[in-house]
This record gives sequence, structure tokens and C-alpha cells, in this order.
Amino acid sequence: SQQGEEDPQALSIQEGENATMNCSYKTSINNLQWYRQNSGRGLVHLILIRSNEREKHSGRLRVTLDTSKKSSSLLITASRAADTASYFCAREHGHLSETSGSRLTFGEGTQLTVNP
Amino acid sequence: DVKVTQSSRYLVKRTGEKVFLECVQDMDHENMFWYRQDPGLGLRLIYFSYDVKMKEKGDIPEGYSVSREKKERFSLILESASTNQTSMYLCASSLSASASSYEQYFGPGTRLTVT
Repeated sequence: SQQGEEDPQALSIQEGENATMNCSYKTSINNLQWYRQNSGRGLVHLILIRSNEREKHSGRLRVTLDTSKKSSSLLITASRAADTASYFCAREHGHLSETSGSRLTFGEGTQLTVNP
Repeated sequence: DVKVTQSSRYLVKRTGEKVFLECVQDMDHENMFWYRQDPGLGLRLIYFSYDVKMKEKGDIPEGYSVSREKKERFSLILESASTNQTSMYLCASSLSASASSYEQYFGPGTRLTVT
């Protein structure tokens, strides 16, 4: 399977603390993306990191990618109660066709709970 | 902003019924996707389409079919619904390979219950 592992499956922290979620994968990737899903809703794209990048920032989000270890991490700094959600990494690999984009393979997600 | 809409948020159908799930996007995206999401299994790709009238099987196409007659609309069809198709169904769209970013935009999901 090309699905990887996300770790931890669940994380509970206090507001103001940092949250770190990890993602590992098995095959080579074009890029890796992180998504967020609020309970019972669709996914929202957070950040994309390309295979030739090592670190990327967006607001309170920091994503790292280590292609030698086939792993990525998402750090949310100074967490807020509103950050409570499930977070998914998605590996982009291969191509749908010559003219289309690539397909994504999603992990099972990390459920983050930020307590006020 | 990109908007992906799905025809129903909640749907209850009986075993054996034919079920249509509709998805519409308003950003002229080439690619469209159908996933199902189940606890402990994450998102699994059912079918995708990279052009009008084009479709490709994903990881779990059995029991499903799709239709894409217009660029903005991608329909998922359960020919004869079964209880093991009770799930959350998510539609997504994205730009083509010529774009610099392949992020997918998701609809709000349809929670289907088959009794």
C-alpha cells in the first residue's frame, strides 16, 4: 500500500501549546500536502511542500519534509481552541495522465483537540 | 474562492436502490475526484476524472460508477446500494498538470446511510 502512517492518531493539548503531527510514507513523492477537516465537514488545504523543499511556513504552521526518511511533520504553534480538527497528510505521486494533475493518497489523520 | 458543492449533506437510502450523488465546481477545474471516508481508513479514492467524459478507477471502484457530461459536474452512482456503502462521500476538484499547485478543493461531504 502507498498509504503511510500518521502519528499520533490523537493529540490533546492546552491552548497556547504547540502541536506536532507526523506523517511517514513508503514511496517517492512529487509533493506532500496537509489538509484540515473540521468535524463532519470537507477538507481544507493548508500547505503544500515540494519534494525539493525542506521546510515551509504559513502563519502559525510550519511543515518539514525529510525525503531521505520519507517523513513530514506539521507544527502548529500557539494553538487555539479553533484549531481543534483532524489533520491529514496527502502524498502526491505519479500522474493521472499526461495532461492532468497527480493523484493524492491520504493518511488516516490525526485528531487534534485544543482545550481552552 | 473556489466552491465545490454537493447535492445533499445527509441521505438515507434502502438496500438495492440506485443512488446519485452530485458534485459541482465553479472554478473550471479539469480534475474531479470522489472519495469515501470511513473511521480508521482515512480517505479512499473511488473514481476520478481529468476531462469531460473521461474517467479512471481509483482504489475502490467496485459497486460504483461515475458520469462527467459537463466540466463542472461529476456524479457518483451507486447502482444498487448496499449497507457496506454507508459512509461519508467527499467530492474534490483541482487544476490540471499545467498549474503550479495541485491542491484539491473539497465539497462539504454527503453522509450516506443505507438501511
